[in-house]
Amino acid sequence: DAMVIQNPRYQVTQFGKPVTLSCSQTLNHNVMYWYQQKSSQAPKLLFHYYDKDFNNEADTPDNFQSRRPNTSFCFLDIRSPGLGDAAMYLCATSRVTGGDEKLFFGSGTQLSVL
Amino acid sequence: TQLLEQSPQFLSIQEGENLTVYCNSSSVFSSLQWYRQEPGEGPVLLVTVVTGGEVKKLKRLTFQFGDARKDSSLHITAAQPGDTGLYLCADPSGTYKYIFGTGTRLKVLA
Repeated sequence: DAMVIQNPRYQVTQFGKPVTLSCSQTLNHNVMYWYQQKSSQAPKLLFHYYDKDFNNEADTPDNFQSRRPNTSFCFLDIRSPGLGDAAMYLCATSRVTGGDEKLFFGSGTQLSVL
Repeated sequence: TQLLEQSPQFLSIQEGENLTVYCNSSSVFSSLQWYRQEPGEGPVLLVTVVTGGEVKKLKRLTFQFGDARKDSSLHITAAQPGDTGLYLCADPSGTYKYIFGTGTRLKVLA
């Protein structure tokens, strides 16, 4: 089945130790998103890619970076994780159709910072 | 920036009860989506409503879009434990900037 896959499901890192979260999709969607979700709050958009064009939200900390080497893969790099970065990180995709668009989410990566 | 307020924030009910969740905005929606997020999973789209006054049904779930397209409701009939999760409304009209509501966390007790 076509889907959005995130690895790993659970990630534990140490304070200040760089960590990379990965996302892959078999939907061939041109837009990929990274969301941060804390404690059952609404997902907060960090950035998105439209094809290779990167779009950063104004309030996304510089500590967060992203890479999209090809259509299928997207990575979230946290350069120096702090305790406040512990959260669920959700990857999502959508396809630009000119209407009736929706988000397809992965199962998320739960990040713990010790 | 459009704000989407959902109410109630938390809801704990017994199996078989009915409930309604609300999503309100300070602005007019061009369309509105409802997602459900089960514990430990990503959100999944339930429905998209587009026309003011529109009503859509999905089994025991009934979605209504306000006539003025500034509010929406989700009604669940005879709730079941499998309905437990975080319900999110979302405005998909921004350019690749889905704005999510504040969320309603529902727990259905067996």
